[in-house]
Amino acid sequence: SSELTQDPAVSVALGQTVRITCQGDSLRSYYASWYQQKPRQAPILVIYGQDNRPSGIPDRFSGSSSGNTASLTITGAQAEDEADYYCHSRDSGGNHVLFGGGTKLTV
Amino acid sequence: QVQLVESGGGVVQPGGSLRLSCATSGFSFSSFAMHWVRQAPGKGLEWVAFIRYDGSKKYYADSVKGRFTISRDNSKNTLYLQMKSLRLEDTAIYYCTKDAGYSSSWCMDHWGQGTLVTVSS
Repeated sequence: SSELTQDPAVSVALGQTVRITCQGDSLRSYYASWYQQKPRQAPILVIYGQDNRPSGIPDRFSGSSSGNTASLTITGAQAEDEADYYCHSRDSGGNHVLFGGGTKLTV
Repeated sequence: QVQLVESGGGVVQPGGSLRLSCATSGFSFSSFAMHWVRQAPGKGLEWVAFIRYDGSKKYYADSVKGRFTISRDNSKNTLYLQMKSLRLEDTAIYYCTKDAGYSSSWCMDHWGQGTLVTVSS
Protein backbone atom coordinates (compact mmCIF):
# COMPACT_ATOMS: atom_id res chain seq x y z
CA SER A 1 0.00 0.00 0.00
CA SER A 2 1.06 3.61 -0.31
CA GLU A 3 0.19 4.70 3.19
CA LEU A 4 1.82 5.11 6.56
CA THR A 5 -0.49 4.46 9.51
CA GLN A 6 -0.09 6.01 12.96
CA ASP A 7 -2.25 6.01 16.06
CA PRO A 8 -3.94 9.43 16.26
CA ALA A 9 -3.15 10.02 19.93
CA VAL A 10 -0.93 8.63 22.67
CA SER A 11 -0.40 9.74 26.25
CA VAL A 12 2.44 9.17 28.68
CA ALA A 13 3.13 10.13 32.28
CA LEU A 14 5.98 12.50 32.93
CA GLY A 15 9.27 10.59 33.10
CA GLN A 16 7.85 7.39 31.66
CA THR A 17 8.63 5.70 28.35
CA VAL A 18 6.39 5.90 25.30
CA ARG A 19 6.52 4.24 21.91
CA ILE A 20 4.90 5.74 18.83
CA THR A 21 4.48 3.35 15.91
CA CYS A 22 4.13 3.69 12.14
CA GLN A 23 3.07 0.92 9.77
CA GLY A 24 3.39 0.70 6.01
CA ASP A 25 4.68 -1.54 3.26
CA SER A 26 7.24 1.07 2.19
CA LEU A 27 9.05 0.56 5.49
CA ARG A 28 10.24 -2.81 4.22
CA SER A 29 12.28 -0.92 1.60
CA TYR A 30 13.11 2.44 3.17
CA TYR A 31 14.00 3.65 6.64
CA ALA A 32 11.46 5.79 8.45
CA SER A 33 12.22 9.29 9.61
CA TRP A 34 10.40 11.03 12.43
CA TYR A 35 9.42 14.68 12.82
CA GLN A 36 8.23 16.60 15.87
CA GLN A 37 5.88 19.53 15.42
CA LYS A 38 4.77 21.84 18.20
CA PRO A 39 1.84 24.23 17.79
CA ARG A 40 2.47 27.08 15.36
CA GLN A 41 5.97 25.83 14.60
CA ALA A 42 7.57 24.10 11.64
CA PRO A 43 8.38 20.41 12.03
CA ILE A 44 11.87 19.35 13.05
CA LEU A 45 13.64 16.08 12.28
CA VAL A 46 14.23 13.99 15.41
CA ILE A 47 15.17 10.54 14.05
CA TYR A 48 16.39 9.34 10.66
CA GLY A 49 17.82 6.14 9.25
CA GLN A 50 18.20 3.08 11.45
CA ASP A 51 18.42 5.14 14.66
CA ASN A 52 20.18 8.46 14.07
CA ARG A 53 19.57 11.74 15.86
CA PRO A 54 20.39 15.11 14.32
CA SER A 55 22.59 17.40 16.34
CA GLY A 56 20.70 18.92 19.26
CA ILE A 57 18.09 16.17 19.62
CA PRO A 58 18.17 14.65 23.13
CA ASP A 59 19.26 11.05 23.44
CA ARG A 60 15.95 10.11 25.06
CA PHE A 61 14.66 9.91 21.46
CA SER A 62 15.41 6.66 19.64
CA GLY A 63 14.16 4.78 16.61
CA SER A 64 13.75 1.17 15.61
CA SER A 65 12.23 -0.85 12.82
CA SER A 66 11.00 -4.38 12.17
CA GLY A 67 9.31 -5.55 9.00
CA ASN A 68 6.66 -3.04 8.04
CA THR A 69 6.66 -1.21 11.38
CA ALA A 70 8.85 1.63 12.57
CA SER A 71 8.83 2.98 16.11
CA LEU A 72 9.86 6.17 17.83
CA THR A 73 10.62 5.70 21.52
CA ILE A 74 10.94 8.49 24.07
CA THR A 75 12.61 7.22 27.23
CA GLY A 76 11.80 9.46 30.16
CA ALA A 77 9.30 11.77 28.45
CA GLN A 78 9.49 15.45 29.37
CA ALA A 79 6.78 18.08 29.30
CA GLU A 80 8.47 19.73 26.33
CA ASP A 81 8.04 16.53 24.31
CA GLU A 82 4.30 17.14 24.06
CA ALA A 83 3.79 17.60 20.32
CA ASP A 84 2.57 16.00 17.11
CA TYR A 85 4.88 13.33 15.70
CA TYR A 86 4.92 12.33 12.03
CA CYS A 87 6.64 9.37 10.43
CA HIS A 88 7.94 9.60 6.87
CA SER A 89 9.45 7.39 4.18
CA ARG A 90 9.79 7.17 0.45
CA ASP A 91 7.03 5.11 -1.11
CA SER A 92 7.75 1.64 -2.44
CA GLY A 93 8.04 2.96 -5.99
CA GLY A 94 10.75 5.34 -4.88
CA ASN A 95 9.50 8.56 -6.47
CA HIS A 96 7.00 9.81 -3.90
CA VAL A 97 7.19 10.70 -0.23
CA LEU A 98 4.75 9.41 2.38
CA PHE A 99 3.86 10.96 5.70
CA GLY A 100 1.88 9.24 8.40
CA GLY A 101 -1.24 10.95 9.65
CA GLY A 102 0.52 12.04 12.82
CA THR A 103 0.33 11.08 16.49
CA LYS A 104 -0.56 13.68 19.10
CA LEU A 105 1.54 12.97 22.18
CA THR A 106 0.23 14.20 25.53
CA VAL A 107 2.64 14.22 28.46
CA GLN B 1 23.58 27.88 10.09
CA VAL B 2 21.10 26.58 7.56
CA GLN B 3 18.31 29.03 6.74
CA LEU B 4 15.30 28.50 4.50
CA VAL B 5 13.02 31.50 4.02
CA GLU B 6 9.81 31.09 2.03
CA SER B 7 7.93 33.95 0.42
CA GLY B 8 5.18 34.52 -2.11
CA GLY B 9 2.17 33.23 -0.23
CA GLY B 10 -1.10 35.09 -0.13
CA VAL B 11 -4.76 35.00 -1.03
CA VAL B 12 -5.72 33.88 -4.53
CA GLN B 13 -8.99 33.02 -6.21
CA PRO B 14 -9.79 29.49 -7.39
CA GLY B 15 -8.20 28.92 -10.78
CA GLY B 16 -5.51 31.49 -10.09
CA SER B 17 -1.73 31.19 -9.94
CA LEU B 18 0.98 31.90 -7.42
CA ARG B 19 4.74 31.48 -7.32
CA LEU B 20 6.48 30.60 -4.10
CA SER B 21 10.18 31.20 -3.49
CA CYS B 22 12.55 29.78 -0.91
CA ALA B 23 15.80 31.65 -0.33
CA THR B 24 18.45 29.47 1.23
CA SER B 25 21.77 30.03 2.98
CA GLY B 26 24.23 28.27 5.24
CA PHE B 27 24.82 25.19 3.11
CA SER B 28 25.89 24.18 -0.38
CA PHE B 29 22.50 24.53 -2.06
CA SER B 30 23.63 23.04 -5.36
CA SER B 31 24.63 19.79 -3.62
CA PHE B 32 21.29 18.87 -2.08
CA ALA B 33 17.86 17.84 -3.28
CA MET B 34 14.94 19.93 -2.04
CA HIS B 35 11.26 19.41 -1.35
CA TRP B 36 8.03 21.33 -0.85
CA VAL B 37 5.69 20.04 1.86
CA ARG B 38 2.33 21.54 2.77
CA GLN B 39 -0.02 21.45 5.72
CA ALA B 40 -3.68 22.37 5.46
CA PRO B 41 -5.16 24.16 8.49
CA GLY B 42 -5.49 21.69 11.36
CA LYS B 43 -4.31 18.78 9.21
CA GLY B 44 -1.19 16.66 8.79
CA LEU B 45 1.82 17.00 6.56
CA GLU B 46 1.52 16.36 2.82
CA TRP B 47 4.51 16.08 0.53
CA VAL B 48 4.13 18.18 -2.62
CA ALA B 49 7.25 17.91 -4.78
CA PHE B 50 10.93 16.91 -4.99
CA ILE B 51 13.76 18.23 -7.12
CA ARG B 52 17.19 16.68 -7.47
CA TYR B 53 20.27 18.75 -6.61
CA ASP B 54 20.90 19.57 -10.26
CA GLY B 55 17.25 19.92 -11.27
CA SER B 56 17.43 16.87 -13.54
CA LYS B 57 14.72 14.91 -11.73
CA LYS B 58 11.41 16.20 -10.44
CA TYR B 59 8.59 14.28 -8.79
CA TYR B 60 5.14 15.40 -7.68
CA ALA B 61 2.30 14.28 -5.48
CA ASP B 62 -0.65 13.04 -7.52
CA SER B 63 -2.78 15.85 -6.06
CA VAL B 64 -0.67 18.57 -7.72
CA LYS B 65 0.82 16.85 -10.77
CA GLY B 66 0.18 18.85 -13.92
CA ARG B 67 -0.66 22.01 -11.95
CA PHE B 68 2.47 22.69 -9.90
CA THR B 69 6.07 22.99 -11.09
CA ILE B 70 9.12 22.81 -8.85
CA SER B 71 12.33 24.45 -10.01
CA ARG B 72 15.57 25.80 -8.65
CA ASP B 73 18.23 28.37 -9.48
CA ASN B 74 21.52 27.13 -8.08
CA SER B 75 23.21 30.44 -8.94
CA LYS B 76 20.76 32.21 -6.62
CA ASN B 77 20.47 29.45 -3.97
CA THR B 78 16.72 29.63 -4.42
CA LEU B 79 13.94 27.05 -4.76
CA TYR B 80 10.60 27.79 -6.44
CA LEU B 81 7.11 26.38 -6.67
CA GLN B 82 4.91 27.62 -9.49
CA MET B 83 1.28 26.86 -8.72
CA LYS B 84 -1.48 27.10 -11.34
CA SER B 85 -5.16 26.21 -11.48
CA LEU B 86 -5.34 26.56 -7.72
CA ARG B 87 -8.17 24.87 -5.87
CA LEU B 88 -9.76 25.46 -2.50
CA GLU B 89 -8.05 22.32 -1.22
CA ASP B 90 -4.62 23.79 -1.99
CA THR B 91 -5.06 26.15 0.97
CA ALA B 92 -2.17 25.36 3.31
CA ILE B 93 1.10 26.45 4.80
CA TYR B 94 3.81 25.57 2.29
CA TYR B 95 7.17 24.56 3.69
CA CYS B 96 10.46 24.48 1.83
CA THR B 97 12.64 21.64 3.10
CA LYS B 98 16.22 20.54 2.55
CA ASP B 99 16.89 16.89 1.82
CA ALA B 100 19.36 15.37 4.27
CA GLY B 101 21.11 13.41 1.53
CA TYR B 102 21.06 10.37 3.77
CA SER B 103 21.01 6.93 2.16
CA SER B 104 18.37 7.84 -0.44
CA SER B 105 15.82 8.13 2.34
CA TRP B 106 14.61 11.56 1.21
CA CYS B 107 14.35 12.65 4.84
CA MET B 108 14.30 16.39 5.45
CA ASP B 109 16.76 17.79 7.93
CA HIS B 110 15.83 21.46 7.73
CA TRP B 111 12.49 23.22 7.28
CA GLY B 112 11.58 26.80 6.61
CA GLN B 113 8.95 28.58 8.67
CA GLY B 114 6.43 28.26 5.86
CA THR B 115 4.31 30.60 3.80
CA LEU B 116 0.51 30.57 3.88
CA VAL B 117 -1.42 30.12 0.65
CA THR B 118 -5.16 30.75 0.88
CA VAL B 119 -7.38 29.90 -2.07
CA SER B 120 -10.70 31.63 -1.63
CA SER B 121 -13.33 33.39 -3.68
